[in-house]
Amino acid sequence: NAGVTQTPKFQVLKTGQSMTLQCAQDMNHNSMYWYRQDPGMGLRLIYYSASEGTTDKGEVPNGYNVSRLNKREFSLRLESAAPSQTSVYFCASSEQLQETQYFGPGTRLLVL
Amino acid sequence: AQSVTQLGSHVSVSEGALVLLRCNYSSSVPPYLFWYVQYPNQGLQLLLKYTSAATLVKGINGFEAEFKKSETSFHLTKPSAHMSDAAEYFCAVTGSGTSYGKLTFGQGTILTVHP
Repeated sequence: NAGVTQTPKFQVLKTGQSMTLQCAQDMNHNSMYWYRQDPGMGLRLIYYSASEGTTDKGEVPNGYNVSRLNKREFSLRLESAAPSQTSVYFCASSEQLQETQYFGPGTRLLVL
Repeated sequence: AQSVTQLGSHVSVSEGALVLLRCNYSSSVPPYLFWYVQYPNQGLQLLLKYTSAATLVKGINGFEAEFKKSETSFHLTKPSAHMSDAAEYFCAVTGSGTSYGKLTFGQGTILTVHP
């Protein structure tokens, strides 16, 4: 039982490049989330998926897109990376909205 | 809109001393409140949560927190600090309406434990 897994662990991009961050959970959770963590700002919600087939914007969605591929997988895409997107990205899942969220180990992204 | 304020970005204590990390929230009632811990280069782990049952919530590793509605506070305490408690701690809240299911985090408090 791996919990929440994220790939890659670390990535360096040049401004304007695109990439997809992958997230998968094996806990049969319905809800999944993407956050970014920046120093002194805690974690901020980018997008979330309450259940398979639905996605909604969080607090900071600009510059990102998401796909809920199936119940297990929720990906985050940067179409044209900007230095302001340098951050640590965390995926999380919960049984339902409002329940305890379980976090992955994070992806460190550096945009030059 | 809901918000969370953690008082003190850095807290330093001696091993064996009381740990007190402060959290105040602004949210519709009843909120769900959480404390998470993050060790270096790791994800977040749940310490404890309040879901409108008992106001004193016990978590893992000897931590506990008390929900005080009148003070809109949810402070985290541990009677005796251990070196392994050194980490960053986050308070978070979910609410109702448009905030339903969305965690809003505080800025985090880095706890340092001195020998």
